[in-house]
Amino acid sequence: DTGVSQNPRHKITKRGQNVTFRCDPISEHNRLYWYRQTLGQGPEFLTYFQNEAQLEKSRLLSDRFSAERPKGSFSTLEIQRTEQGDSAMYLCASSLELALYEQYFGPGTRLTVT
Amino acid sequence: AQKVTQAQTEISVVEKEDVTLDCVYETRDTTYYLFWYKQPPSGELVFLIRRNSFDEQNEISGRYSWNFQKSTSSFNFTITASQVVDSAVYFCALSGRASGGSYIPTFGRGTSLIVHP
Repeated sequence: DTGVSQNPRHKITKRGQNVTFRCDPISEHNRLYWYRQTLGQGPEFLTYFQNEAQLEKSRLLSDRFSAERPKGSFSTLEIQRTEQGDSAMYLCASSLELALYEQYFGPGTRLTVT
Repeated sequence: AQKVTQAQTEISVVEKEDVTLDCVYETRDTTYYLFWYKQPPSGELVFLIRRNSFDEQNEISGRYSWNFQKSTSSFNFTITASQVVDSAVYFCALSGRASGGSYIPTFGRGTSLIVHP
């Protein structure tokens, strides 16, 4: 399978704990995006990377959130001191460089903060 | 700022009916890209079509067709002879230039299509 993969698929954590998610994009894609999706909503952009450079961050991305893509391949999204409002599906997508190319989405990581 | 409005929250049809999903967008960019994605019950979004702002030619792909009209800022999606497997949430998205200069997609809230046998 050469699609976008995300791990873990589900994560249940207690409020205040830190969590980290991983995304492995399609190998030849140099752009990688993170989104958050809550029930009944479309994906909301969080941040994106072109190779290892983080080029854009949404205002939704508070200082408790950090993302990395150290070698321009896989990426991690960390949430520190989780809050119940962080409960959502976190989606990763990758694409070729130009905006006109479609994004390929992974299956997502569902986070539940209790 | 850019915005995508999908006014239809849920549409329910019987198999073989035609159905149109509406998408209206707002942007100040002259260059932008429009997309439709399908999110089946399994959850993974699947790309359906891309259209750039300079190409208003309508497109047909099998039972799917798209009507792009810049004059009304709309990019509607029609499924002809719907099938149960078409049941999914459909998202319209607009990729325009963000404040940082990058093209960032904005998604609508989605339209849930239920096709009954």
